[in-house]
Amino acid sequence: DAKTTQPNSMESNEEEPVHLPCNHSTISGTDYIHWYRQLPSQGPEYVIHGLTSNVNNRMASLAIAEDRKSSTLILHRATLRDAAVYYCILRSYNTDKLIFGTGTRLQVFP
Amino acid sequence: DAGVIQSPRHEVTEMGQEVTLRCKPISGHDYLFWYRQTMMRGLELLIYFNNNVPIDDSGMPEDRFSAKMPNASFSTLKIQPSEPRDSAVYFCASSRQTGGLAKSQHFGDGTRLSIL
Repeated sequence: DAKTTQPNSMESNEEEPVHLPCNHSTISGTDYIHWYRQLPSQGPEYVIHGLTSNVNNRMASLAIAEDRKSSTLILHRATLRDAAVYYCILRSYNTDKLIFGTGTRLQVFP
Repeated sequence: DAGVIQSPRHEVTEMGQEVTLRCKPISGHDYLFWYRQTMMRGLELLIYFNNNVPIDDSGMPEDRFSAKMPNASFSTLKIQPSEPRDSAVYFCASSRQTGGLAKSQHFGDGTRLSIL
């Protein structure tokens, strides 16, 4: 499975934008980039996913580099509720499995 | 809509006892996944089902672990006999099938298992 690299932790202030980076230099052409997050004492929840083009939804935006070797999850205005561990995961088009790494722990300060 | 429902939320038992974890997936979902999360190993996929059939159980640690899905609305994960190293949070997730593959996964709140 292709591997992703994320910073262990990041900090943000409330109402500021947050850019969470993910490196995936060994990504293959058929790998989708998925982001999940896990709030304290809860199961992970789906955030967003993409293949080549940037994606937006009500939760976040996903910016994918032109060479696809990195991506950035963008939270436009962080809230205290966004404090969580964010996982960047590559999923091949022909598999149903998600392989979770260690993720980035995001702290949000008031 | 009801999400993925897991029971019990917490379980404390002595080593050697049988433990049964239960999961009710979201209605209409075709896939069901069992994960285990520990501080040391993070979130690991144990097994997953498609249309009630086990597809990949390569993550199941050993023969003490077994999982079943007798129907589309219920799955169990059993540990017999349990050992202290099985202590973890166990998550169940379900997803819908599209284009022959699973879509985004919806997770339950987990079962926190402590084996004394």
